[in-house]
Amino acid sequence: DAGITQSPRHKVTETGTPVTLRCHQTENHRYMYWYRQDPGHGLRLIHYSYGVKDTDKGEVSDGYSVSRSKTEDFLLTLESATSSQTSVYFCAISEGGENSPLHFGNGTRLTVT
Amino acid sequence: SQKIEQNSEALNIQEGKTATLTCNYTNYSPAYLQWYRQDPGRGPVFLLLIRENEKEKRKERLKVTFDTTLKQSLFHITASQPADSATYLCALDMATGGFKTIFGAGTRLFVKA
Repeated sequence: DAGITQSPRHKVTETGTPVTLRCHQTENHRYMYWYRQDPGHGLRLIHYSYGVKDTDKGEVSDGYSVSRSKTEDFLLTLESATSSQTSVYFCAISEGGENSPLHFGNGTRLTVT
Repeated sequence: SQKIEQNSEALNIQEGKTATLTCNYTNYSPAYLQWYRQDPGRGPVFLLLIRENEKEKRKERLKVTFDTTLKQSLFHITASQPADSATYLCALDMATGGFKTIFGAGTRLFVKA
């Protein structure tokens, strides 16, 4: 497995509370991504980063923010969690450029009650 | 609208047979296409990548075809084994550094002994 660690692996939180998910990589890859996976929708890109402090929005970025202060860490924050954000969140990394596949962590299952 | 379609129904086959999974897309012009395997509770794992100018790619028991006229990719597993049982995801990339990778919802494969 690529050196990607997501924490926590499981979390239950209440509507309206802030939540931060962490992704840590040991591969020194330039690109890092946050996806969410929901039944019937496949993986959808939330935000991505192409370098330290360089981030951009993906397809479903509303309600989420990210930060990358070090190459190895990429944080995803739900400022005020909603039930629609109940999902499995995956972090991925890639070297970038053409033909560069994604390497995924094992996900964080988030439940917002 | 842009869509990637994979058969939402599970595919059940007998051990030793060839499994064929389909990925159809509309309104995309991908530079390349990828296939991933995902096991329950785990992140997707990269299997194969095929470029738009390649018709076929092989890796051990895996074969992928890419028909840009039909807008379709076929993923074959020959001599299938129960250990091949998993969900297989198709993903398209517009060759923009990796952050435009779009995923299908996946097809579940069951291989019976």
